[in-house]
Amino acid sequence: DAGITQSPRHKVTETGTPVTLRCHQTENHRYMYWYRQDPGHGLRLIHYSYGVKDTDKGEVSDGYSVSRSKTEDFLLTLESATSSQTSVYFCAIKSSGSYNEQFFGPGTRLTVL
Amino acid sequence: KNEVEQSPQNLTAQEGEFITINCSYSVGISALHWLQQHPGGGIVSLFMLSSGKKKHGRLIATINIQEKHSSLHITASHPRDSAVYICAVPVSQSGGGADGLTFGKGTHLIIQP
Repeated sequence: DAGITQSPRHKVTETGTPVTLRCHQTENHRYMYWYRQDPGHGLRLIHYSYGVKDTDKGEVSDGYSVSRSKTEDFLLTLESATSSQTSVYFCAIKSSGSYNEQFFGPGTRLTVL
Repeated sequence: KNEVEQSPQNLTAQEGEFITINCSYSVGISALHWLQQHPGGGIVSLFMLSSGKKKHGRLIATINIQEKHSSLHITASHPRDSAVYICAVPVSQSGGGADGLTFGKGTHLIIQP
């Protein structure tokens, strides 16, 4: 399972509150990703990181920020959650090298009321 | 940006049937990924391929780089194969996957006993 954990696994929150999701990996992989999965849209890239303090935006980055202060942790923050951010969030990692697979965490189900 | 189309969106078959799921993409790639997701479950990488064919048990994946097309086949299908199968390619040709993946919307497969 490539040693990826996500926390929390489930969260219910209210509109306007800040939320932080954590992705933790134990194998020192350089690349980390946050995706969201929604019916009708499939999986979409939110943000990604290519090293400590090195991050970039993905397809659906509006309303989200990320931080990576340590190799093993990649945090996704919703500064002010909205109902449109209700989704399942998956973290993934990829080893260095262009052809390596991505491995996914177990997911976090977030509901914004 | 790469665009990914999968077909069919839904597929119901009888146990033992030969299954084919198709994936087309718009921009040349370094490698294509096939993923599996069981209901309520995590995402598992089945194959990553850049040319030709790969086989793992009853699963076979092929890719035609010139035609920008890949297929996933399941031989002697079984109810435990019921899942969503997702095709994914790198976001950009130059990124090689470091900048994340773009996904098809998935094929929802049901194998009836």
